Amino acid sequence: GAVVSQHPSWVICKSGTSVKIECRSLDFQATTMFWYRQFPKQSLMLMATSNEGSKATYEQGVEKDKFLINHASLTLSTLTVTSAHPEDSSFYICSAQGGLASNNEQFFGPGTRLTVL
Amino acid sequence: GDSVTQMEGPVTLSEEAFLTINCTYTATGYPSLFWYVQYPGEGLQLLLKATKADDKGSNKGFEATYRKETTSFHLEKGSVQVSDSAVYFCGISSGSARQLTFGSGTQLTVLP
Repeated sequence: GAVVSQHPSWVICKSGTSVKIECRSLDFQATTMFWYRQFPKQSLMLMATSNEGSKATYEQGVEKDKFLINHASLTLSTLTVTSAHPEDSSFYICSAQGGLASNNEQFFGPGTRLTVL
Repeated sequence: GDSVTQMEGPVTLSEEAFLTINCTYTATGYPSLFWYVQYPGEGLQLLLKATKADDKGSNKGFEATYRKETTSFHLEKGSVQVSDSAVYFCGISSGSARQLTFGSGTQLTVLP
């Protein structure tokens, strides 16, 4: 089946630093990737949708200058949390969609836990 | 916009008990419906799905039927196991972008 990986699985950083999270589709080409954020005991909230080779579309209330998304290839998307602060601590999950061939099903990565001190 | 209302948890059951987790939705058009499961510290795994009215999705003993008339997609399992303990999310996908909208999640704990 379709596999999506995320790296790192967890990261701890100091306030004010930037953190990059990678999302890779390992065995299919992902025309669209989604980034979600999940707070403890809550549901996933969509942050942005990115299509390969174009700018990401951010959901209302998500700062595009703070959460930089790059989808430069059909197998890789990155989320960079710039100037991270403790309130950015969360579980970040990506998903990848392979277009019509996959019936537009989303395949989820295992998530990255970010802790900002 | 699309929305999903899911039964609040937590739900605690004894092993071999019957499970129902209610899910209703509002959406434009004809959405696809999903149930995902999340184990502690992990991402989401697709449990089952249904893409049109009256379809029944099933996997690992779990079932859910796409009920267009009641806009529902309730998850059921006849006999739960301890290993079923996880958080379950109901989700819908519609529109050209096929974005997923999730319910709030239901924590299930199965006791031996």
